[in-house]
Amino acid sequence: GAGVSQSPRYKVTKRGQDVALRCDPISGHVSLYWYRQALGQGPEFLTYFNYEAQQDKSGLPNDRFSAERPEGSISTLTIQRTEQRDSAMYRCASAGTENIQYFGAGTRLSVL
Amino acid sequence: AQKVTQAQTEISVVEKEDVTLDCVYETRDTTYYLFWYKQPPSGELVFLIRRNSFDEQNEISGRYSWNFQKSTSSFNFTITASQVVDSAVYFCALSEPHLDTAGNKLTFGGGTRVLVKP
Repeated sequence: GAGVSQSPRYKVTKRGQDVALRCDPISGHVSLYWYRQALGQGPEFLTYFNYEAQQDKSGLPNDRFSAERPEGSISTLTIQRTEQRDSAMYRCASAGTENIQYFGAGTRLSVL
Repeated sequence: AQKVTQAQTEISVVEKEDVTLDCVYETRDTTYYLFWYKQPPSGELVFLIRRNSFDEQNEISGRYSWNFQKSTSSFNFTITASQVVDSAVYFCALSEPHLDTAGNKLTFGGGTRVLVKP
């Protein structure tokens, strides 16, 4: 596609529910990144894929967070048993051979 | 560990004034990249520029200019003759290259909110 597409744009969920956030990268981009951005702060790295391989998941805060990119294109970030502290903007970025990360519009997650 | 500091949390200017955003970084690597991104009120994150640590030439793009000084670990951003449309949060970011050529996770500063009043 023309840009990085994330869905849903907004997600409101109740504490304890699981959520799945989707990212469709720019066509042909090998690398895909997930970041989390709290209100009033800069984005923080969560995890990174090169093709379908998860190369770095050092930023995932705990084992309730997981991500996959099974066919090397679309990626899903899953948060199990959501907590209020998980409320944030979740941003996806993709990069091609020039290694510049282009971001999607983000998914704003609110956990009630 | 990498760190990016944007000491100015908010800057307010009147249209046509110049505004300079400070960015100071810390890294132990000799090879790294520096970035600026813009987050307008609509919320998306827009890439503005990337600089290589070996290239200290200043860069100008229209009303935007960047001053990279390795000696002071700074990568400052100036908007000349600001316009209302420049109102946004601006983020400075640092990456260290991974061993594979495709990976560069970013460390962001806290951002500087620029408000340009008409």
